[in-house]
Amino acid sequence: EDQVTQSPEALRLQEGESSSLNCSYTVSGLRGLFWYRQDPGKGPEFLFTLYSAGEEKEKERLKATLTKKESFLHITAPKPEDSATYLCAVLQDGSEKLVFGKGTKLTVNP
Amino acid sequence: DTGVSQNPRHKITKRGQNVTFRCDPISEHNRLYWYRQTLGQGPEFLTYFQNEAQLEKSRLLSDRFSAERPKGSFSTLEIQRTEQGDSAMYLCASSLSSSNQPQHFGDGTRLSIL
Repeated sequence: EDQVTQSPEALRLQEGESSSLNCSYTVSGLRGLFWYRQDPGKGPEFLFTLYSAGEEKEKERLKATLTKKESFLHITAPKPEDSATYLCAVLQDGSEKLVFGKGTKLTVNP
Repeated sequence: DTGVSQNPRHKITKRGQNVTFRCDPISEHNRLYWYRQTLGQGPEFLTYFQNEAQLEKSRLLSDRFSAERPKGSFSTLEIQRTEQGDSAMYLCASSLSSSNQPQHFGDGTRLSIL
């Protein structure tokens, strides 16, 4: 069963066109939800951790939010250098493993 | 550079051969994790260590796979009798052991089986 589902699979934006990426999860005992950015041929780069519903984190053009069922990564006025695959992962009670979604591949055209 | 370091970056080998990868974590991190990632998928957990103790293993980690962290610093992942399906990116991550700390990843070792 899928525990972490990300949508859309791919997203193309024009520079400056704001949008949101979705991560829905079905785990019990959520300890944390993590967002990563991954560039081709590289490992995931940590962006944010969210621990409880209602929490928000911001970094430059990115803002992550969390509810009891899903998280959103909002991208405001994106630039071409924001092009990457964005991965969502959850940490749940009883395990130290991150369970990842398949990611959203974001392309920002100049 | 104080990030997670993995070697080699690429490994090409023939089916049936054994391969070994190395991971050097961030120096103050006592937790170390191994993941596998195939094209179009998110990373999948394989195993993790706290110091030298291997505390959790995935069912993905078949008998052909073995991981060690003998002195609680660097770790090795060995795959014996490689198969075509082992072709993937093998990622290592490390973290502090405080609750819910983020895992920081290296750039991986890409394994190609001929």
